[in-house]
Amino acid sequence: DTAVSQTPKYLVTQMGNDKSIKCEQNLGHDTMYWYKQDSKKFLKIMFSYNNKELIINETVPNRFSPKSPDKAHLNLHINSLELGDSAVYFCASSRAPSGSYNEQFFGPGTRLTVL
Amino acid sequence: TQLLEQSPQFLSIQEGENLTVYCNSSSVFSSLQWYRQEPGEGPVLLVTVVTGGEVKKLKRLTFQFGDARKDSSLHITAAQPGDTGLYLCAANFGNEKLTFGTGTRLTIIP
Repeated sequence: DTAVSQTPKYLVTQMGNDKSIKCEQNLGHDTMYWYKQDSKKFLKIMFSYNNKELIINETVPNRFSPKSPDKAHLNLHINSLELGDSAVYFCASSRAPSGSYNEQFFGPGTRLTVL
Repeated sequence: TQLLEQSPQFLSIQEGENLTVYCNSSSVFSSLQWYRQEPGEGPVLLVTVVTGGEVKKLKRLTFQFGDARKDSSLHITAAQPGDTGLYLCAANFGNEKLTFGTGTRLTIIP
């Protein structure tokens, strides 16, 4: 069984479009995250939710809107896509927020290409 | 802003050789983790170190946490092709998030 799953795996779209990426975890974790990994493989946190509440929002443009309908799901909606949004987006989960030295489990990533 | 610098950025060595990867910061961490990421996949945790001076071993991998809690190293003995991947350190600086390092891309040549 997949612990953290994301859909789609690949997303190719035109500039200006709106798109969503979905994430689900079946580990029973309370905390979920969205990360962006750029072409140089630098992994940077975007958002974190704990028990459906937003706890981290790292100066991400407001075109990016996360939504957590329940503890097992964290979706990412992106409006008015720009060329610079092209990257691999990773969802992750942990038992508790990272201040508690918890292991983060990552999904397989969604490669977004904006043309 | 806390930064984690990893060195080297790229490393390509022959199978059977030993190597060390470094992770450094100007700020003190509460804890440090090492992850390995293979192409097309997400990072996977290798180890967590929390005590200054701590050394942990995982088969041929040895992880060290610096005494001052500002640096860490990963040493691989007798590298194998299966060790190829992107190695990422990730630190907690006393807040609710992990800050990832700049990464080391390791290639082991058979």
